[in-house]
Amino acid sequence: NAGVTQTPKFQVLKTGQSMTLQCAQDMNHNSMYWYRQDPGMGLRLIYYSASEGTTDKGEVPNGYNVSRLNKREFSLRLESAAPSQTSVYFCASQAGAQPQHFGDGTRLSIL
Amino acid sequence: GESVGLHLPTLSVQEGDNSIINCAYSNSASDYFIWYKQESGKGPQFIIDIRSNMDKRQGQRVTVLLNKTVKHLSLQIAATQPGDSAVYFCAEPILTGGGNKLTFGTGTQLKVEL
Repeated sequence: NAGVTQTPKFQVLKTGQSMTLQCAQDMNHNSMYWYRQDPGMGLRLIYYSASEGTTDKGEVPNGYNVSRLNKREFSLRLESAAPSQTSVYFCASQAGAQPQHFGDGTRLSIL
Repeated sequence: GESVGLHLPTLSVQEGDNSIINCAYSNSASDYFIWYKQESGKGPQFIIDIRSNMDKRQGQRVTVLLNKTVKHLSLQIAATQPGDSAVYFCAEPILTGGGNKLTFGTGTQLKVEL
């Protein structure tokens, strides 16, 4: 099983550029999440989707948009990238109240 | 405010020794906690969880202890191995109208010395 797959693994953007981070899970989980992790910090929730067709803001949603394309895929979009969005982005999926499963992250640098 | 946090940023242990990683929480109503391990360049990986109706839970070489009186939990790793080197997070799922939002502490870096 691939679990949670994130693409790309690395990306460098210039300020003002747009980009979509992709996430797909093959575990038939209903809930999916996007987090960001900054150096020396824990993960902070950006957006989540409890089920196909629904999305909700997390702790740090400003500057981001999301799309739950179908049950498998949950994408995160930066419309106009800013240096403050330089981070490692993790996607996670979850079945019911079970622990979340994480992908290996996208390392994003914005110059 | 409500938070989940860790006492120490770095813990160094000798290979073969036992490791203890601590975590404090502030919400007395918290009833479920999860420990994650994050290796360099990887996403967090589930290790073990515990619910508030338990004081102790054991897995393979890992034990989690929960002290509700002082709002503290710990992760114990027996016979620590080089492969245990990672950052360890305690996390608390917060039920919302939709999903379970995970609140993470800042993490403890475990370094295993040969």
